[in-house]
Amino acid sequence: DTAVSQTPKYLVTQMGNDKSIKCEQNLGHDTMYWYKQDSKKFLKIMFSYNNKELIINETVPNRFSPKSPDKAHLNLHINSLELGDSAVYFCASSQRGSPNTQYFGPGTRLTVL
Amino acid sequence: ILNVEQSPQSLHVQEGDSTNFTCSFPSSNFYALHWYRWETAKSPEALFVMTLNGDEKKKGRISATLNTKEGYSYLYIKGSQPEDSATYLCAFASFNRDDKIIFGKGTRLHILP
Repeated sequence: DTAVSQTPKYLVTQMGNDKSIKCEQNLGHDTMYWYKQDSKKFLKIMFSYNNKELIINETVPNRFSPKSPDKAHLNLHINSLELGDSAVYFCASSQRGSPNTQYFGPGTRLTVL
Repeated sequence: ILNVEQSPQSLHVQEGDSTNFTCSFPSSNFYALHWYRWETAKSPEALFVMTLNGDEKKKGRISATLNTKEGYSYLYIKGSQPEDSATYLCAFASFNRDDKIIFGKGTRLHILP
């Protein structure tokens, strides 16, 4: 049973395309996150949703739009992909009110050509 | 701006030797300090979470200590093994409505056979 899953695992696409990455968690958590692993391998938070409500929105281009249809899913849609969007994107979930340990998905490696 | 600093950035240790590294974080509004282990091509996995000054946690050969008054935590690895090679991330959580945890940039540990 995968706790936090992401699809696809690999995504190769052309510049200018629109793509989505899906994330699902079966841990019953109420908070979900998207992180980007940048070129220096550092983890940077992009968005966080709690019970389908956006609570963290870091300085991210508005081409990136998260969507949370329910508290078990947080999808990331990216419009007009650019070369600099190439990275590994990690989804995570946690339960608010606890020490907030985050459980990460396996990552999606996005390559923009 | 909340900063979480980890040192050293990279570390090479001979197999069998013991080692330790540091995480520094703001000493005000402390809520929790997390350590994660992140192997190459995998996703970060939670090792420890500590919430009280003086906390010590242990898992096998790995242990961690916490000093919230001075704002630092140490991670210790005793008798390093090749499987310990990974990046070790610490993450700081403060009393904050948005539940964001701030990740350090990690210490990349290489165990030399």
